[in-house]
Amino acid sequence: LAKTTQPISMDSYEGQEVNITCSHNNIATNDYITWYQQFPSQGPRFIIQGYKTKVTNEVASLFIPADRKSSTLSLPRVSLSDTAVYYCLVRGGGGNKLTFGTGTQLKVEL
Amino acid sequence: DAGVIQSPRHEVTEMGQEVTLRCKPISGHNSLFWYRQTMMRGLELLIYFNNNVPIDDSGMPEDRFSAKMPNASFSTLKIQPSEPRDSAVYFCASTTDFQGLGNQPQHFGDGTRLSIL
Repeated sequence: LAKTTQPISMDSYEGQEVNITCSHNNIATNDYITWYQQFPSQGPRFIIQGYKTKVTNEVASLFIPADRKSSTLSLPRVSLSDTAVYYCLVRGGGGNKLTFGTGTQLKVEL
Repeated sequence: DAGVIQSPRHEVTEMGQEVTLRCKPISGHNSLFWYRQTMMRGLELLIYFNNNVPIDDSGMPEDRFSAKMPNASFSTLKIQPSEPRDSAVYFCASTTDFQGLGNQPQHFGDGTRLSIL
């Protein structure tokens, strides 16, 4: 069963752009890619969602290549408060099941 | 507006006891999901409901786990008998996603941290 994989951790500094990639080789044809942010002792919180090409909202951008086998969450200018774990969520794999990525711990420093 | 409400926030109990976790979804949401989060396995979907009907329970680990949604505003996840390996954070989420295609954002509660001694 193919996993939905992400880098375990990333470090950055305030004001920098951060790009986090998720690999989802078995994504279902008609399904969306969604990204969530999670702080300690809280549930995941929605950031952005897309199906193809590029989506932008007030906090992030999402880049999806034509084959849709991966996606990249872009946080334009991170601050200390962006320190959190970031997850992608797709439907795919065996049984076409909703599957969270392995999660990326982002640490932002001054 | 109230978000997804889960209770209890923390539960500590002894192996073999019955555990019941509760969830109140956001009013108007017709899809409800139960997830489990552990360090080893990350976030896993256990079961989801559409319009109070269980649609996919393939993630329920074994027969000791059961979930119900008697009405649109309440769901329970029950473990009987509980085992130490069931220790995890259990999240409930709801959305307006009718068909479960993942094209509507899910709104999560803050979870129940379960410890089985």
